[in-house]
Amino acid sequence: DTAVSQTPKYLVTQMGNDKSIKCEQNLGHDTMYWYKQDSKKFLKIMFSYNNKELIINETVPNRFSPKSPDKAHLNLHINSLELGDSAVYFCASSQGRQSTEQYFGPGTRLTVT
Amino acid sequence: DAKTTQPPSMDCAEGRAANLPCNHSTISGNEYVYWYRQIHSQGPQYIIHGLKNNETNEMASLIITEDRKSSTLILPHATLRDTAVYYCIVRVGRDDKIIFGKGTRLHILP
Repeated sequence: DTAVSQTPKYLVTQMGNDKSIKCEQNLGHDTMYWYKQDSKKFLKIMFSYNNKELIINETVPNRFSPKSPDKAHLNLHINSLELGDSAVYFCASSQGRQSTEQYFGPGTRLTVT
Repeated sequence: DAKTTQPPSMDCAEGRAANLPCNHSTISGNEYVYWYRQIHSQGPQYIIHGLKNNETNEMASLIITEDRKSSTLILPHATLRDTAVYYCIVRVGRDDKIIFGKGTRLHILP
């Protein structure tokens, strides 16, 4: 039983393309997140949604657009991909917007060439 | 910036207790200390959290000093599968985000 799942696991694409990463959680949580882990392994939050409402939006280029069709899904769409977007992207979920007990997905490794 | 300081790496023999320290000298009275770990190529995994009292669960124990300026995560019987980067986190700000620092890379030696 996968709690937080992401697709795809690996994504290789060329600069300038548009791509999406999907995330689904079956934990019944009401809050979902996107994190980026760069080549130096720093893990930084990008976005957070609570009940489909955006509550955290870090300094992220507007080429990144999260979309939450329902509480169980939070997708990340990236326009005009750049080399610097290469990273591992993690989705996470929690119950309650103030919870720091977050459950992470397996990650999506994005490589932009 | 993370509000915590951890050693960059530690070694521990398999079967022994692994004690991972964390300094959080600027912690506020209502801020919790959380521990996560990240095994290679996997997403971070929640371990434990605490406010003032020591806490224990099936994975680990958390010892918080009386002044709350530091804490220690204890893995009582470390196994090779405990090799990971361990993050000590103090929740900051009112926007509920957690900030991961550099963590401690724990190597369990056979």
